Amino acid sequence: QKEVEQNSGPLSVPEGAIASLNCTYSDRGSQSFFWYRQYSGKSPELIMSIYSNGDKEDGRFTAQLNKASQYVSLLIRDSQPSDSATYLCAVKTSYDKVIFGPGTSLSVIP
Amino acid sequence: GAGVSQTPSNKVTEKGKYVELRCDPISGHTALYWYRQSLGQGPEFLIYFQGTGAADDSGLPNDRFFAVRPEGSVSTLKIQRTERGDSAVYLCASSLDRGYNEQFFGPGTRLTVL
Repeated sequence: QKEVEQNSGPLSVPEGAIASLNCTYSDRGSQSFFWYRQYSGKSPELIMSIYSNGDKEDGRFTAQLNKASQYVSLLIRDSQPSDSATYLCAVKTSYDKVIFGPGTSLSVIP
Repeated sequence: GAGVSQTPSNKVTEKGKYVELRCDPISGHTALYWYRQSLGQGPEFLIYFQGTGAADDSGLPNDRFFAVRPEGSVSTLKIQRTERGDSAVYLCASSLDRGYNEQFFGPGTRLTVL
């Protein structure tokens, strides 16, 4: 089992819809979770971090964390074409290393 | 302030050559990370510096790879006897300190080994 897994893409949603990106992790002791956005040919950009169970909202983005299920998700409301990118889930494990998932490619169709 | 910078942005070299990739982190950030990213994959951890010392080099694939950060700021990733399989984008990131862990990435260096 890979340490950090993400739902396979590509994911296509119409403009204005909610995009849901999912991530699971294997290290039950992980405490910190991050979502990065990466445009094609660019480097990853941090968009959300979450440390406690529940929801964390920032503008159109909501991160959700469920440590019991070892699951973290990112919801993007009112999706825009400019949200089209690869979204990387990153997990800080109990052995103090940040592991990135393979990414999910999101395409928002105008 | 300025973000993380990396030079060169692109490097093309021949198999067997030696290359150096440079990273200049955000001022005041004590933690510095090197990653390698291949097409369609997430960043793969290589090495992490806290200050001048390599706190974790477990991601370096073999002894051809080496990195230094002599003054606790700029870091250089060195690859000896390059192989075609080393071709990738090499990303550098920095964070305020180890506990903070929100990492900010540089633009990357695209390495192509012919």
